[in-house]
Amino acid sequence: DGGITQSPKYLFRKEGQNVTLSCEQNLNHDAMYWYRQDPGQGLRLIYYSQIVNDFQKGDIAEGYSVSREKKESFPLTVTSAQKNPTAFYLCASSIAGRTGPYNEQFFGPGTRLTVL
Amino acid sequence: QKEVEQDPGPLSVPEGAIVSLNCTYSNSAFQYFMWYRQYSRKGPELLMYTYSSGNKEDGRFTAQVDKSSKYISLFIRDSQPSDSATYLCAMSAEGFKTIFGAGTRLFVKA
Repeated sequence: DGGITQSPKYLFRKEGQNVTLSCEQNLNHDAMYWYRQDPGQGLRLIYYSQIVNDFQKGDIAEGYSVSREKKESFPLTVTSAQKNPTAFYLCASSIAGRTGPYNEQFFGPGTRLTVL
Repeated sequence: QKEVEQDPGPLSVPEGAIVSLNCTYSNSAFQYFMWYRQYSRKGPELLMYTYSSGNKEDGRFTAQVDKSSKYISLFIRDSQPSDSATYLCAMSAEGFKTIFGAGTRLFVKA
């Protein structure tokens, strides 16, 4: 059963803590993405990776970090530098990083992060 | 001005109604257009994917793109309570990142 998994489903963070969100895919996709979703706003791109050991900042990368050591895994760390981290975080993947025909993004179920 | 504008709703319709969801955009370079459906507390799932202008039909769903007006639509025929969700439009130009609308919340009442 191919797909994208994210864990945990819910995560609570105390002020000043770093937390890491997991994203795994078994679709053999080269590209992976992290988005943040806030009420009333579209998905905002945090980081993306087109290939293993390479990643680029998206529109709102400040306070976040990523790694891409394996093709199937793209974890996101929310650091204490992120001032307003409470949001719904979505991981996605696509066959390749370049947009084009039949290169749509597929999403995981999301992680809801709440700062206490 | 946002690159992609989408009315957040909520839109409430009776079961069996025809639903029209819309997005406008400003970047004339966009040529790939998508509609995603997102149930509460879930990730978005791809519903429709169209290239350039024209219509595409899949069961009860029809996606329409009018590039001259920079306007895209998703029509849902014979709407069902299970269609109640948030619908996100998304679009991209060749080689560039995908831009998402804010989403329209739809409620279909039985």
